[in-house]
Amino acid sequence: NAGVMQNPRHLVRRRGQEARLRCSPMKGHSHVYWYRQLPEEGLKFMVYLQKENIIDESGMPKERFSAEFPKEGPSILRIQQVVRGDSAAYFCASSLTGGEDSPLHFGNGTRLTVT
Amino acid sequence: AQSVTQLDSQVPVFEEAPVELRCNYSSSVSVYLFWYVQYPNQGLQLLLKYLSGSTLVKGINGFEAEFNKSQTSFHLRKPSVHISDTAEYFCAVSGLTGNQFYFGTGTSLTVIP
Repeated sequence: NAGVMQNPRHLVRRRGQEARLRCSPMKGHSHVYWYRQLPEEGLKFMVYLQKENIIDESGMPKERFSAEFPKEGPSILRIQQVVRGDSAAYFCASSLTGGEDSPLHFGNGTRLTVT
Repeated sequence: AQSVTQLDSQVPVFEEAPVELRCNYSSSVSVYLFWYVQYPNQGLQLLLKYLSGSTLVKGINGFEAEFNKSQTSFHLRKPSVHISDTAEYFCAVSGLTGNQFYFGTGTSLTVIP
């Protein structure tokens, strides 16, 4: 399967724990985006990364959230000290060129539940 | 400011009837427009895109959309829907700022047998 792979599909964390979400882009893609989806809302942009670089993190909360896309391995979205309000579906997307005309290809998401 | 507006949050339609899902964007510059479909518990799948050229764009599963620059709209249409079209549909725009893609809040299409 050469599509965008996200894991885990479901993640349950207690308040105060850390959540790590992983994303492997499509083969040949080096541009990764993270989005958050809440019920009854659209997708909210969080961060855009290229290999080893954060290009745009204007959608990331200032605290507790971080993202990386190392030279080797998947992109990681990390949420420290999770709170109930972090419960959502988190989607990763990749694109071939990162250009505005290069469509995003999405993974199936990670559904985070904070208890 | 809302960049993309999907006017209908829910659209019920009978099987084999036509459907139009509306999308308007707010921009005075050239943009790129996309429609995505999301089935339950899955990610978004690209239906079609408008980058340039013909304003009528054909996509997968029999869907098409028309770009109307004067009305800043990009409505999605299908002449005859099937039960399997029941899903959430998202309109998206890029080219407004940086590399960001802005998504509408989605339209839930329910096809009634």
